[in-house]
Amino acid sequence: GNSVTQMEGPVTLSEEAFLTINCTYTATGYPSLFWYVQYPGEGLQLLLKATKADDKGSNKGFEATYRKETTSFHLEKGSVQVSDSAVYFCALSGLRETSGSRLTFGEGTQLTVNP
Amino acid sequence: ETGVTQTPRHLVMGMTNKKSLKCEQHLGHNAMYWYKQSAKKPLELMFVYSLEERVENNSVPSRFSPECPNSSHLFLHLHTLQPEDSALYLCASSPQGTGNTEAFFGQGTRLTVV
Repeated sequence: GNSVTQMEGPVTLSEEAFLTINCTYTATGYPSLFWYVQYPGEGLQLLLKATKADDKGSNKGFEATYRKETTSFHLEKGSVQVSDSAVYFCALSGLRETSGSRLTFGEGTQLTVNP
Repeated sequence: ETGVTQTPRHLVMGMTNKKSLKCEQHLGHNAMYWYKQSAKKPLELMFVYSLEERVENNSVPSRFSPECPNSSHLFLHLHTLQPEDSALYLCASSPQGTGNTEAFFGQGTRLTVV
């Protein structure tokens, strides 16, 4: 079955530091890959996505590249801000032609950015 | 505004109570989902509805009973819950028939069973 493995947290960085959160996956076929972010007390928000190999998703300074050869989708940001403190989830969606999207999530990585 | 609204945001209930969680989406989607988020565990997909029919039930105990009266509304009826059922319950929706799209989430209902 499908699975997602995320870098264990928590991760604590100083403002303006470089961020990498590793994500690898196991899936049959060609899944779509996502990063979601959850701020305290909130639900999940889509941060970025990539739907095929070598695609790069980007949003709000975050980037991730769909690497089929390494089955990875690592999240990066060049300069984090205090407001980026949140839990980040890597997820994949298998291809189901008739019944919508089913997301398989990683365990989440808590990021804290200190001023 | 995410387009998916959940009520209530917080709920405390005793083990003998019956309560319902409500989810409403205004995105024109035809697939809706219930997820459970517990501390230190990955999100668990509980139920999937597609075109108002339940298409997936991931071994969820019968004390959780979903209902999808139309494509815009989803309920989760709760009865005789256990303390270990305390969690954040997230509703999501997505377009039906396109398995590689993202799901859109509500803000969740924080449930505490006492």
